[in-house]
Amino acid sequence: AQSVSQHNHHVILSEAASLELGCNYSYGGTVNLFWYVQYPGQHLQLLLKYFSGDPLVKGIKGFEAEFIKSKFSFNLRKPSVQWSDTAEYFCAVNVEGNLIFGKGTKLSVKP
Amino acid sequence: EAGVAQSPRYKIIEKRQSVAFWCNPISGHATLYWYQQILGQGPKLLIQFQNNGVVDDSQLPKDRFSAERLKGVDSTLKIQPAKLEDSAVYLCASSQGRAGGYGYTFGSGTRLTVV
Repeated sequence: AQSVSQHNHHVILSEAASLELGCNYSYGGTVNLFWYVQYPGQHLQLLLKYFSGDPLVKGIKGFEAEFIKSKFSFNLRKPSVQWSDTAEYFCAVNVEGNLIFGKGTKLSVKP
Repeated sequence: EAGVAQSPRYKIIEKRQSVAFWCNPISGHATLYWYQQILGQGPKLLIQFQNNGVVDDSQLPKDRFSAERLKGVDSTLKIQPAKLEDSAVYLCASSQGRAGGYGYTFGSGTRLTVV
């Protein structure tokens, strides 16, 4: 069965630190990849998405992600985090019309 | 554009009671999804509609869960009878189509607590 793995359950960083959240998926066919963010008490919001073309995708709020097909990975990065980035981050894969989520990574940024 | 509307925001019920959630998707979105998000986990798809037809309900516990999307617009999700393990946030999402090229827009969810 298709699955999405997020390596870190909880990441704690200080402001201005660099961020990289890992995401791997298991599916050999064509995939569409997403990162969603869920701020405390709010609904899921789309950060960025990859459908085709340039494997380096830029999203909102300075986030970017790189699709590496050979590694089945779609890691999320941000050069310098802010306190307001404190949230839970979900990687998701669209497989044949179904959006499959990872378990999420909670990011806590210390001011 | 207006987002995906869900109600109620919160619901507390006793086990073995029944409960219903409502979702109004973005106007014109043909595809509607219900997800269950248990605390500490990612959302899990329960059912997917394309217009008013069910596309995928393979992960819906059909002995207690049911969903419908009459007229291809609003949708309701029902649990009867509820169990303690049904405590979760129930998310509704909509999309213009099933293919990955379309984005998904999520509602704020209904937080269900079964006691």
